[in-house]
Amino acid sequence: QVHLVQSGAEVKKPGASVKVSCEASGYTFTSYAIHWVRQAPGQRLEWMGWINADNGDTKYSQKFQGRVTITRDTSASTAYMELSSLRSEDTAVYFCARSERDNWNFFFRYWGQGTLVTVSS
Amino acid sequence: DIQMTQSPSSLSASVGDRVTITCRASQSISNYVNWYQQKPGKAPKLLIYTAASLQSGVPSRFSGSGFGTDFTLSISSLQPEDFASYYCQHSYRTPYSFGQGTNLEI
Repeated sequence: QVHLVQSGAEVKKPGASVKVSCEASGYTFTSYAIHWVRQAPGQRLEWMGWINADNGDTKYSQKFQGRVTITRDTSASTAYMELSSLRSEDTAVYFCARSERDNWNFFFRYWGQGTLVTVSS
Repeated sequence: DIQMTQSPSSLSASVGDRVTITCRASQSISNYVNWYQQKPGKAPKLLIYTAASLQSGVPSRFSGSGFGTDFTLSISSLQPEDFASYYCQHSYRTPYSFGQGTNLEI
């Protein structure tokens, strides 16, 4: 079955960068896009961006443009999300999710377990 | 960007009740809406995709409807395991935003 397993919790200082990994198993990695979604404490889910796992094309939310980089390693079936210039407002749980398509609607059936990133001086 | 506004933000109900959660998009988005359930400390779980299609394995008491700007998620007879938070999400174009969530509590 499909599994997305994320790296462990991180504590970072303001201004630093964090890189979270998402290892996929149970399917052909290059057949589906991987998206990153975050959730600050008590807040709504927030879409950050996605990567085409086949060709590496990416699209980011304008909110994070310039600070977020999503990459993938097909040999390791792993996607990565790196967020730079961290500030306290970036404290959140970061999720990866595999998107599927129904006609032109994209939805997230499989999710990673989440990675807590805490930004604190 | 397309905004998704859910109502109510919180809802008190009892086992056996029928509840409806609504989601309004800031512009017409066809039927590109999905609904998720989230429990504390867990990843979201897909319930409904493309406005009305029930995800495999999800109980039939969950249903979705809507087109254009107004969408609903209904639960026909609440069970104890349904007390959770619920989010709508659109995929009309990026950024794929979520509603602010509805916290369903006893």
